[in-house]
Amino acid sequence: QKEVEQNSGPLSVPEGAIASLNCTYSDRVSQSFFWYRQYSGKSPELIMSIYSNGDKEDGRFTAQLNKASQYVSLLIRDSQPSDSATYLCAVNSPMDSSYKLIFGSGTRLLVRP
Amino acid sequence: GAVVSQHPSRVICKSGTSVKIECRSLDFQATTMFWYRQFPKQSLMLMATSNEGSKATYEQGVEKDKFLINHASLTLSTLTVTSAHPEDSSFYICSATRLLETYEQYFGPGTRLTVT
Repeated sequence: QKEVEQNSGPLSVPEGAIASLNCTYSDRVSQSFFWYRQYSGKSPELIMSIYSNGDKEDGRFTAQLNKASQYVSLLIRDSQPSDSATYLCAVNSPMDSSYKLIFGSGTRLLVRP
Repeated sequence: GAVVSQHPSRVICKSGTSVKIECRSLDFQATTMFWYRQFPKQSLMLMATSNEGSKATYEQGVEKDKFLINHASLTLSTLTVTSAHPEDSSFYICSATRLLETYEQYFGPGTRLTVT
């Protein structure tokens, strides 16, 4: 079983819609969760971090965490074509003291004009 | 901010030669730096973790004698690909975590290596 799982997509949404990206993780004691955006040919960029159950909003982005279900999601409101990218979910590796993150393989988002 | 730079952004080298890639944290001190490799349309693959002043920890299957990592200061880590071969052609990306903070990693822009 993969430690961090994401649907590879592509997830296709029309411009202006809400894009919902999901991620599940296997280690129940993980405490730190991150969403990165990676444009084609570029390096990942941190867009959200979340540490507590519930929602965390930042502009058009909302991260949601449910530790009981081992589930973290990212909602993008009013999606724009410029949001088209691969979104990587990352979770800390609690058994490792090196601050390593475990990355999912990413979900490709396509926002149609 | 949390800006990480990498140099060079692109490099082409001949098979058998060595290439050095620099990773710098520009506006913060980095407790730990990480080196990743990414092949086209594939996931990030962690190669190694380095802390200032100590030996790097390599992931399983990564040859430490081929990928030499030096973490000389809290703002600089280098990756040297020794005796490069065409199969080493890839996108190499470093990241860093801030001193005394925890898991947030800030990525450099990456270095695209082509071995001919």
